[in-house]
Amino acid sequence: DVKVTQSSRYLVKRTGEKVFLECVQDMDHENMFWYRQDPGLGLRLIYFSYDVKMKEKGDIPEGYSVSREKKERFSLILESASTNQTSMYLCASTGQGETQYFGPGTRLLVL
Amino acid sequence: GEDVEQSLFLSVREGDSSVINCTYTDSSSTYLYWYKQEPGAGLQLLTYIFSNMDMKQDQRLTVLLNKKDKHLSLRIADTQTGDSAIYFCAESTTGANNLFFGTGTRLTVIP
Repeated sequence: DVKVTQSSRYLVKRTGEKVFLECVQDMDHENMFWYRQDPGLGLRLIYFSYDVKMKEKGDIPEGYSVSREKKERFSLILESASTNQTSMYLCASTGQGETQYFGPGTRLLVL
Repeated sequence: GEDVEQSLFLSVREGDSSVINCTYTDSSSTYLYWYKQEPGAGLQLLTYIFSNMDMKQDQRLTVLLNKKDKHLSLRIADTQTGDSAIYFCAESTTGANNLFFGTGTRLTVIP
């Protein structure tokens, strides 16, 4: 079974802090994704990566950056967290022609 | 970008059928997916249908596609309390690397 894990289930941070969200997949998938999920808005793509050290902006990249130094790991970085970044963050991965496999999500609260 | 719309809420009684609807705007959509998100968890693929199909059945799940009206539905027969979750419709023209998600429908099953 494909496994996608995220480093934290819940995080509480203060405005202005730098926040790292980590995602690891164990299926040697090329493609990895970061979404945020907000009530009534569904999932919105922040960034994705189709290979090590490669990244592409999604629909809402502002305020975020990403890092993919190893194939299995995709990190989402909030350089200076703001209250409007309080959300559920979901990581996903996919290989060739498959569905996306999702992690359990990280619920981030920015105070 | 593409627009994928769903009702936000649906309540049904245990044992009844549930029908969750989705409309999309991209006429070149090739793949249409249904994902389920249980409380506190990530998204899990339930089923998918190719645009050249009208219907797909998998145990209690029936997917109907009306390509002319760009309307997708998910019917759950004999709905159980364990079916309570958020259901996301997603569409893609190119496959799993480029999904557009709907807002999600929160299904509540009343015992």
